[in-house]
Amino acid sequence: GAVVSQHPSRVICKSGTSVKIECRSLDFQATTMFWYRQFPKQSLMLMATSNEGSKATYEQGVEKDKFLINHASLTLSTLTVTSAHPEDSSFYICSGGVQETQYFGPGTRLLVL
Amino acid sequence: DQQVKQNSPSLSVQEGRISILNCDYTNSMFDYFLWYKKYPAEGPTFLISISSIKDKNEDGRFTVFLNKSAKHLSLHIVPSQPGDSAVYFCAAIFSGTYKYIFGTGTRLKVLA
Repeated sequence: GAVVSQHPSRVICKSGTSVKIECRSLDFQATTMFWYRQFPKQSLMLMATSNEGSKATYEQGVEKDKFLINHASLTLSTLTVTSAHPEDSSFYICSGGVQETQYFGPGTRLLVL
Repeated sequence: DQQVKQNSPSLSVQEGRISILNCDYTNSMFDYFLWYKKYPAEGPTFLISISSIKDKNEDGRFTVFLNKSAKHLSLHIVPSQPGDSAVYFCAAIFSGTYKYIFGTGTRLKVLA
């Protein structure tokens, strides 16, 4: 299947700082990518849809000013957690795909102290 | 409101036997369903999918069954192998959106 990478795989930051997570499609072009977060022992919850060349669309309850998404090219989407707080600590996963089948990145573990 | 549910948080099966993972959904407008396998601290890996116009799809050891009237799908793994031990998520989507609604996951443990 297609390959999606994420960087970094793990990040620890201080409260109040911003953290950028990159999501790349390595062998296909993705006009749309998705960002999810997963809390321990819970399901993956869709946060937002990243659209190449246009604004991201956010799910209900997700603060767009806190979770900035930039989809600057057909192979790269970035998620920036601004002014991170401990409650933002989570596992963030992106996906991109071909039609219905999505390929997921390996995830980024964020810990905010 | 959990639109996709997996009511069994965990399942243990003996190696070589059949594993059956279940998933229920509430929205009849979902028209495509997928199963993903996930290890801790990794992204989900695609296993198998099924369109709402079908009631069965098979790929090797994996078979997915869809019962639209009951709004229920299941994943059968046979024979189960220790390497199948992971968390399994079902996901549902609306045609053309590709936005996944994930179930809550079932942790499968295959005992050697």
